[in-house]
Parts: sequence; C-alpha cells; structure tokens
Amino acid sequence: AQSVTQLGSHVSVSEGALVLLRCNYSSSVPPYLFWYVQYPNQGLQLLLKYTSAATLVKGINGFEAEFKKSETSFHLTKPSAHMSDAAEYFCAVTGNTGGFKTIFGAGTRLFVKA
Amino acid sequence: EPEVTQTPSHQVTQMGQEVILRCVPISNHLYFYWYRQILGQKVEFLVSFYNNEISEKSEIFDDQFSVERPDGSNFTLKIRSTKLEDSAMYFCASSEESSYNSPLHFGNGTRLTVT
Repeated sequence: AQSVTQLGSHVSVSEGALVLLRCNYSSSVPPYLFWYVQYPNQGLQLLLKYTSAATLVKGINGFEAEFKKSETSFHLTKPSAHMSDAAEYFCAVTGNTGGFKTIFGAGTRLFVKA
Repeated sequence: EPEVTQTPSHQVTQMGQEVILRCVPISNHLYFYWYRQILGQKVEFLVSFYNNEISEKSEIFDDQFSVERPDGSNFTLKIRSTKLEDSAMYFCASSEESSYNSPLHFGNGTRLTVT
C-alpha cells in the first residue's frame, strides 16, 4: 500500500525566502509522485509530477521537487517565496497496484510574510 | 482550458436525507474519482470509476454511497441517508489516463453540510 507523510502542517516563510515543504513516501512498487496546491475555496491543482524520467522535476510557478529513492523523499522547493504562494500544498502518491487510486498527504499550509 | 465543474457549490441537508452531488468531468477523460475533505483534515479517497464501473473504493464508501454516470457527461455521487459526519467538502476529479500516468483534474468542490 502507498502512503505519504508531510512533515509540518504549517510552514511560515518571509517573502523572498526559500520554501521547503517536506514529503516522504512509502510504496511497495515504484511510485508516481505529485505535488498539488489548493487555494482557498478551490479544488486542487497540479504543481508537478514525478514519473521516473528525471529525479529533479520542475513545475509551475517556479516550484521544483527532487525524488530521492535512498531517502524515500520528494520535497518541494522554491528559491524565493512570493505572497501569492500562500496556499495549502499536498503531496500525493499513486502506485500501479490497480484501482487508479491517488493517496494524498495531510497537507502543509504555507504562510508568506511580507 | 477545460475544467471539471461541480454543482451545487454548497448543499445543506438534514440528517437522514438523500443528496446527489453532480460533476461534469473533462470531456475526453476516461477515469473519474470522488474525494472528500473534512474541514481541516486530509483529502480522502472515496471511489474511482472507469468503464462504467467502480474500480476501487475506500472503507468510507459504504452502502450509503453510490456513484453513477447516467449519461455521457455527468458523474454523480449519491449519499442515501446522510449523517452528521458526512459534512465535508466533496471533490470530483477526472484524468485522461489512469492516475498512474496522468494527474487528476479537480473541480472546485461541493460543500455539504448535514444538520
């Protein structure tokens, strides 16, 4: 069974500072990993996905994530935070075990201070 | 850009009543899903649907829940007899291929309040 753990339910950074949101996964099969973002009163939107083509994945809005198999991690980073990045971020995993189920982490709310 | 649409955006119902939440997935997508998010909690998988049948369902998706694709465009979630603990945001999602290969596209959700 697949699962993801997001460390830190809340992260606060200053505008212009590095954003680091942590995600560790557990999967019995090679995982496909995703980061989604949720703005208030909206559904989740895809930021980026890892599908084994490259370990460093670039997404929208300047975000990127690195897949590290040895650490079972898929942390999300952005070099310089912007006020508009304030949102909830979800790490997610899908494994090819049939059923087409994507499992989401508990989410990390990012606050950006001026 | 095509999007998943959900109606209504808010639904208030009394305990024991039936509710139907409606979704129109993206037209060329073949895989459909329902998730829910209780206020302040994680996004939970309910059910996936492909080729006019349920592919997988979670423990939450008990006999009180059902899904249907009554025509070529709509995808509905029915809760037969609502309970207070069914109060949550319900998200519909669709994907072009299986979620192993393609990401989910979510609607903006229906906020269900059971009183």
